[in-house]
Parts: sequence; C-alpha cells; structure tokens
Amino acid sequence: DGGITQSPKYLFRKEGQNVTLSCEQNLNHDAMYWYRQDPGQGLRLIYYSQIVNDFQKGDIAEGYSVSREKKESFPLTVTSAQKNPTAFYLCASSTRRQVGTGELFFGEGSRLTVL
Amino acid sequence: AQSVTQLGSHVSVSEGALVLLRCNYSSSVPPYLFWYVQYPNQGLQLLLKYTSAATLVKGINGFEAEFKKSETSFHLTKPSAHMSDAAEYFCAVSDGQGAQKLVFGQGTRLTINP
Repeated sequence: DGGITQSPKYLFRKEGQNVTLSCEQNLNHDAMYWYRQDPGQGLRLIYYSQIVNDFQKGDIAEGYSVSREKKESFPLTVTSAQKNPTAFYLCASSTRRQVGTGELFFGEGSRLTVL
Repeated sequence: AQSVTQLGSHVSVSEGALVLLRCNYSSSVPPYLFWYVQYPNQGLQLLLKYTSAATLVKGINGFEAEFKKSETSFHLTKPSAHMSDAAEYFCAVSDGQGAQKLVFGQGTRLTINP
C-alpha cells in the first residue's frame, strides 16, 4: 500500500547527541514536510521541500537540518544545537497542487525523548 | 500571514450530545480552511476542507463545518457525539491553491463521556 513511513517510532537520545529521523514515501509526491508537535502548541513547521535537492526553512528551523537527495526520502536531523528537542515529530507529503487544497498525507510520527 | 486560533484546548461532551469545536482565522487573502483529526500516537488525517465553493462543508464521520466570512470562523460540528470521536482536532489554513504550506492551530482535544 502507498503511504508514508517514519522511523523509528520511539527514540531516546542523550543530551549533546545528534539524531536522524527517517521519512520515506511511495506516493510519488513532490512536496514533503516536517512538523514538530508539542502539547498545546499544535503543529509547527520545521522544514519543507517542494522538489529534490531543494528545501526551505519553516518557522522553527534552528537546531534542525534536512536533505532531499531522493524524491522518496526527506530525513530530519535533530542536532545538539536544538535546545528542547523532546517532542513528537510528524512527516507529511503532498503533490504540489494539493498543498494549497490541504491534502497532506501524514506518517505516524516519531517520538523523541532526550534523557 | 495567515493564522488560525482554536478556542478551547479541551472540550468534553457526553455521548449523543452536540460537538462544537471553534476555529477563527486571520488571512489577508481568501483562505482555504481545513480540519484534521489525530488519534492517539498517530499522524493526522483530513476531515474536511473549504476551498471557496459551498460554505457548508461535509466531511467524514458525520462532521461538518461552515465558513462564515463575516465572523472569520470555520467551526466544526457534529450533531451527536460517539465514543470513537475522542481525538485531537486541528484547524488549518492556506492562502489558496498555490500555497506551499499549511498553518495549523493549537489543537483541541475532544473527550466523550459515556
């Protein structure tokens, strides 16, 4: 079945370590997104990419990095510069035409806990 | 820039009662508006959307929402709550078909009491 796969589902990290969250889609979508979810703050956009080898910062990009070397993959690295990385991270994808009409497809999320 | 405000981070209703989740938007252009639902430890799924056609929009699972330009609102309703409706609901906005991203509200957690 087509969809978005995020891994790992749960991840624990020690302070000062970088960690990479995987996001893979087989929907042939051009656009991919990373959101961070915290209780009471909704979803905040970290990075997004409309096309391979190109990406833009969202509202809270500091302390994060991404790459888009393949259409299917959009990994997110949470660096040691991110001061409060414990959160639920959601990856989404869409065709570029569908973004404005709200049809984002989400993965099941990755929960990162910093010990 | 567009934004949405969801009034009430938690809403609790009895099974069979009316569900009303509030969303107000701010946009300098005619907005497209959306409601998404999130079940525990899962991603979001689209519930319904307004994209400048009919102002009363029907979605999945018996939910509907009405776009009211004069009130800058897009409230979500369901006549009779079911236990399976317990979830978190997010309102979102884009600035139209050419938009590159959605902006989400803070979310409202809906609890259904038996």
